Amino acid sequence: NAGVTQTPKFQVLKTGQSMTLQCAQDMNHEYMSWYRQDPGMGLRLIHYSVGAGITDQGEVPNGYNVSRSTTEDFPLRLLSAAPSQTSVYFCASSYSDSPGYGYTFGSGTRLTVV
Amino acid sequence: AQSVAQPEDQVNVAEGNPLTVKCTYSVSGNPYLFWYVQYPNRGLQFLLKYITGDNLVKGSYGFEAEFNKSQTSFHLKKPSALVSDSALYFCAVRARGDMRFGAGTRLTVKP
Repeated sequence: NAGVTQTPKFQVLKTGQSMTLQCAQDMNHEYMSWYRQDPGMGLRLIHYSVGAGITDQGEVPNGYNVSRSTTEDFPLRLLSAAPSQTSVYFCASSYSDSPGYGYTFGSGTRLTVV
Repeated sequence: AQSVAQPEDQVNVAEGNPLTVKCTYSVSGNPYLFWYVQYPNRGLQFLLKYITGDNLVKGSYGFEAEFNKSQTSFHLKKPSALVSDSALYFCAVRARGDMRFGAGTRLTVKP
């Protein structure tokens, strides 16, 4: 059972570069989301999706884009990397957006922007 | 909007002693509350959740949590701590849609 798979696990970018963080789940979950984790700040929601073709912004969406062309995949794109985007990024999925369902998390991508 | 607060950045306990990690919540409507644990360089793992019913919820690895509506709290507990319980613990609340997390509490269990 793969669950939620994130790639890459580590990445170093130069300021201004772009990249895509990949996220795939094999549980047929409708709801997917991206969080960033920074020390002392917990997890902050970047973007989320309630199903294929539907995405919306979370708390900290600036500098990030998402798309959801399939149920399985939810990539996160950094358009022009900035040092403030240095963080650990987690993708999570849930059976639905109903509040009684918990999340399954990926193992994270540690991103450093220099 | 829903939110949770974890008032302690760090909790230290001796192995074999009971542990408590505190969480308070703010939500309009019924609260749906969760606890997650994060080990170093890993993603978050689900421990337990409260939806409705019994105020004492039992979860994985011997953990339990007590829901208190009057105090708007959802504290995580374990009767006897293990060194292997040392990790970062997150409380979370979910309304329709996204889940909001606390800042996390680092639990250290010393032998």
